[in-house]
Formats: sequence, C-alpha cells, structure tokens
Amino acid sequence: TQLLEQSPQFLSIQEGENLTVYCNSSSVFSSLQWYRQEPGEGPVLLVTVVTGGEVKKLKRLTFQFGDARKDSSLHITAAQPGDTGLYLCAGEGNAGGTSYGKLTFGQGTILTVHP
Amino acid sequence: NAGVMQNPRHLVRRRGQEARLRCSPMKGHSHVYWYRQLPEEGLKFMVYLQKENIIDESGMPKERFSAEFPKEGPSILRIQQVVRGDSAAYFCASSPLRLLGYNEQFFGPGTRLTVL
Repeated sequence: TQLLEQSPQFLSIQEGENLTVYCNSSSVFSSLQWYRQEPGEGPVLLVTVVTGGEVKKLKRLTFQFGDARKDSSLHITAAQPGDTGLYLCAGEGNAGGTSYGKLTFGQGTILTVHP
Repeated sequence: NAGVMQNPRHLVRRRGQEARLRCSPMKGHSHVYWYRQLPEEGLKFMVYLQKENIIDESGMPKERFSAEFPKEGPSILRIQQVVRGDSAAYFCASSPLRLLGYNEQFFGPGTRLTVL
C-alpha cells in the first residue's frame, strides 16, 4: 500500500510570508499532482509533476518533484489571503504496480493567510 | 468546456435505502474514478472504470457498493442498504487516454451523502 505523508497539517501565517508544504513517501510515483480544495467543492488540479527533479512554477507557487520521485514540495511566496484553502498532494503508482491509475492522497494542509 | 458533472450535489437517505450517484466525465475523457472523503479524513480511492469495464475496484467495500460506466450515459456509483457510516462526500474524477504517459485527473464538485 502506498502512503503519502503531508505536512504540516495546519498552517496559519500572515499575508506576505512564505511557506512550504511537503509530501513524502517511501514509494516511487509515476507522477504527482497538487490540488486545492475549497469547502463544499471538489479538488481543483494545480499542477502535475512527472520527471524526477522537475520544478514547475505557477505565479507565486513553485512545485518540485524529488529526484527519486518519492517526495514533493509546494512553496508559496508572499502569501495572500486568497491563497487560503486546503492543499492536497496525490501520487499515481508506477506502471505495472497495483496502484497504477489511481491516486493516493496526502492528508492535506489547511492554509490560512491572515490579512 | 464543461467540467466533470456530478448529481445530485446533496443526497439524503434513511438507513436501508439505496443511493445512486451519477458522474458525467469531461468531454473526451474515457477513464472515470470514484473517491470517498469521510469527515475529518482524506480522499480515498474506491474504483477505476473505463467504458463497460471495471479496471480496479480494490478500494470499494465488497458488499453493498457497486459501480458501472456503461457505453452510453453517466457512470453510476450505487450503494445499497445505506448505513450511517456511508455518510461522506463522494467525488468522481475523469482523465483522458494516457497519451502523455501519465494520468491527470479532474474532479467533479462531489455528492454529499447524508444517511439519517
């Protein structure tokens, strides 16, 4: 069974601060996706990382996939109140493995950015 | 482009009744996945389907739960004889063919099931 440990579980910061959310696993993933979920809604895909060591930027958000494709991080620069929400990482298992196709989710990070 | 559609958005059932949750994937997507989000828990995989085929149902309870994705029409997640523990948000996701070698899943808004 693949597991993704996401940390921290809660993050409360002031507007303008930087933050990093981590997802770690002992398993190798073929890809890793980051989602943001608002209360009462479904997760919205932010980015997919596929290659070990890959870095992707989305405005003030920077996503990194570990070299061994077992871990990932999300870094937000100069956080704004509009960044408040639940952030989820999700990994897809390797081809040929029993987890191929389905996503394994981390527990989520609830981010609150205070004005 | 319409996203993944789910209905109903909210469903209330009494213990012992049946619940039917529907999911229409994004246009052009042939893969459908169902996930469950229990209160205070993360999203858990239930089942992965392609048209007329169940690919992986390893996350679905063996009893009372079934899923289908017919040639025509939406995917259906069916829960028979619901119990209070079935109360949760059920999310459907869809993805296109794996032309890129990986699997980007797009989620619907979910169905919130409440069992009284």
